[in-house]
Amino acid sequence: GESVGLHLPTLSVQEGDNSIINCAYSNSASDYFIWYKQESGKGPQFIIDIRSNMDKRQGQRVTVLLNKTVKHLSLQIAATQPGDSAVYFCAEIRTSYDKVIFGPGTSLSVIP
Amino acid sequence: GAVVSQHPSWVICKSGTSVKIECRSLDFQATTMFWYRQFPKQSLMLMATSNEGSKATYEQGVEKDKFLINHASLTLSTLTVTSAHPEDSSFYICSASYHGANVLTFGAGSRLTVL
Repeated sequence: GESVGLHLPTLSVQEGDNSIINCAYSNSASDYFIWYKQESGKGPQFIIDIRSNMDKRQGQRVTVLLNKTVKHLSLQIAATQPGDSAVYFCAEIRTSYDKVIFGPGTSLSVIP
Repeated sequence: GAVVSQHPSWVICKSGTSVKIECRSLDFQATTMFWYRQFPKQSLMLMATSNEGSKATYEQGVEKDKFLINHASLTLSTLTVTSAHPEDSSFYICSASYHGANVLTFGAGSRLTVL
């Protein structure tokens, strides 16, 4: 597969604080990006997406920032809650190939 | 809308047997389905892409004769792990998209344990 398995980096935050999860993507031809949340034993759940013609998109408590110059994506979660504890993956899509490639993931742990 | 169902959610089998996992799009027609494998504490690794009515496209390093993929209809794709061995134990996840929309919906995954 194209996504190389790595041990997950972890991020611990205090409940109520803001969380920032970063991701570097690999291909400058990717034109669509998605953040997914995966809870233990479940499939990935869509959080927010952004197209390459944008640099910021906001949802409910979440914001995605895209920096195409350095091929960097970030997910900001405001007022982090215990229910936000999960593994977060960024995914890049090259729509011409209709293929989704996942980043290595970050495990977010919220401290009550 | 856009619900993808996987079955079974978990399966335990003996080494050497074959196991079939189903992936169904419940409320939309999926022109393309993807199969991923995920080992503990690792990311999802794309195994193959299947389009309805045609042969699946496998990623480099994935054995097509071991992981048989069939996408016979717009709502069903199956992954068969043939002659399973303990190293095939993993979490298998499918996703589906429909043409014209960059919407990718994931199933809940199927955990395979090979004894």
